[in-house]
Amino acid sequence: SAVISQKPSRDICQRGTSLTIQCQVDSQVTMMFWYRQQPGQSLTLIATANQGSEATYESGFVIDKFPISRPNLTFSTLTVSNMSPEDSSIYLCSVVGATEAFFGQGTRLTVV
Amino acid sequence: KQEVTQIPAALSVPEGENLVLNCSFTDSAIYNLQWFRQDPGKGLTSLLLIQSSQREQTSGRLNASLDKSSGRSTLYIAASQPGDSATYLCAVDSNQFYFGTGTSLTVIP
Repeated sequence: SAVISQKPSRDICQRGTSLTIQCQVDSQVTMMFWYRQQPGQSLTLIATANQGSEATYESGFVIDKFPISRPNLTFSTLTVSNMSPEDSSIYLCSVVGATEAFFGQGTRLTVV
Repeated sequence: KQEVTQIPAALSVPEGENLVLNCSFTDSAIYNLQWFRQDPGKGLTSLLLIQSSQREQTSGRLNASLDKSSGRSTLYIAASQPGDSATYLCAVDSNQFYFGTGTSLTVIP
């Protein structure tokens, strides 16, 4: 199994600002995944982060809006840039073990 | 593209009742299916993982079944308790994880 520490757990931010979310995994993993969960919706994959290369973004998500860093095999950050109220969501990082997915505790972001 | 549907969207039951949550998916080419629990505003906690070659998994009061050919999975919760109140999500792994929209469960004391 994997234990993921994600922070902050929640934040209230002003529109136009940026927030960086951090995820620390207790073991080395090749890929880390970032998801968004908008109110009342299921999870949507934002991007896949590989160590040593640029993240791969899903349709509808762009690097300028959601820059991702992956400096080593246990850590990643997601930045939500130039925020608007539509960015209010829960953001989650995830890793996949042999078969099973593990998630951080989530970051509940409210943009006012 | 894989589509995952969960019904019902919400369920309210009295404490002690047995219940079944349903998950269906459109593409049977999956590696595995996983059930999660999500408490309000929180992350996901894995409950059960069923690999594509398996038909069911059990953990305590929880039993999950998988019928890959028909694209269905069920999560059975026995003797429900108020602490089971949460949203339950199923996710299928088809190279990428696809999530259902969840079933919000309320167990009334």
